[in-house]
Amino acid sequence: DTEVTQTPKHLVMGMTNKKSLKCEQHMGHRAMYWYKQKAKKPPELMFVYSYEKLSINESVPSRFSPECPNSSLLNLHLHALQPEDSALYLCASSQVPREKLFFGSGTQLSVL
Amino acid sequence: AQSVSQHNHHVILSEAASLELGCNYSYGGTVNLFWYVQYPGQHLQLLLKYFSGDPLVKGIKGFEAEFIKSKFSFNLRKPSVQWSDTAEYFCAVNAGNYGQNFVFGPGTRLSVLP
Repeated sequence: DTEVTQTPKHLVMGMTNKKSLKCEQHMGHRAMYWYKQKAKKPPELMFVYSYEKLSINESVPSRFSPECPNSSLLNLHLHALQPEDSALYLCASSQVPREKLFFGSGTQLSVL
Repeated sequence: AQSVSQHNHHVILSEAASLELGCNYSYGGTVNLFWYVQYPGQHLQLLLKYFSGDPLVKGIKGFEAEFIKSKFSFNLRKPSVQWSDTAEYFCAVNAGNYGQNFVFGPGTRLSVLP
């Protein structure tokens, strides 16, 4: 299994909603990442988990809250988002830091 | 913090033309360098990477890139492009003491005309 699976594929939410994005990999990778990608722009790093510990938080607003329950799972909890947060949210993993990234297909988020 | 720049925003070529996409980075230490491709409607895929050794790196689908340390460059090349190479190409740098900080360039959109 060489896939990074993200659910849901599409999400529409209001500014007062609470929702979660999920990411799963079974490749034994120990680094997992959340990226945000606006249309026709490169992905922007949000968070990095290394060995289930948050190692990088790229000054992301607190309305985004990551969680790594175990080495295979990565969640991104969303609360009180703004319309400008609408984007494609990509999860990625790598065997160890500094290694090739495997990306999921992303969750297309629309905030109304 | 490191940054990555890509020379062209949009490149349009005819099939069989040669391709060179420029990438420059700013970081004084050891870096790992990558080129990723994102085909329309698909997620990012790794084309090739440079960690150390031979500065001329060969990747998938006939792509290669040359690391020139003195120029802080990692340009992507392909001798003859195909229509199926139409995609967005991202240069990326992984640097820092712990090496977890991936930074992507802004991307170059390649359109290959049949």
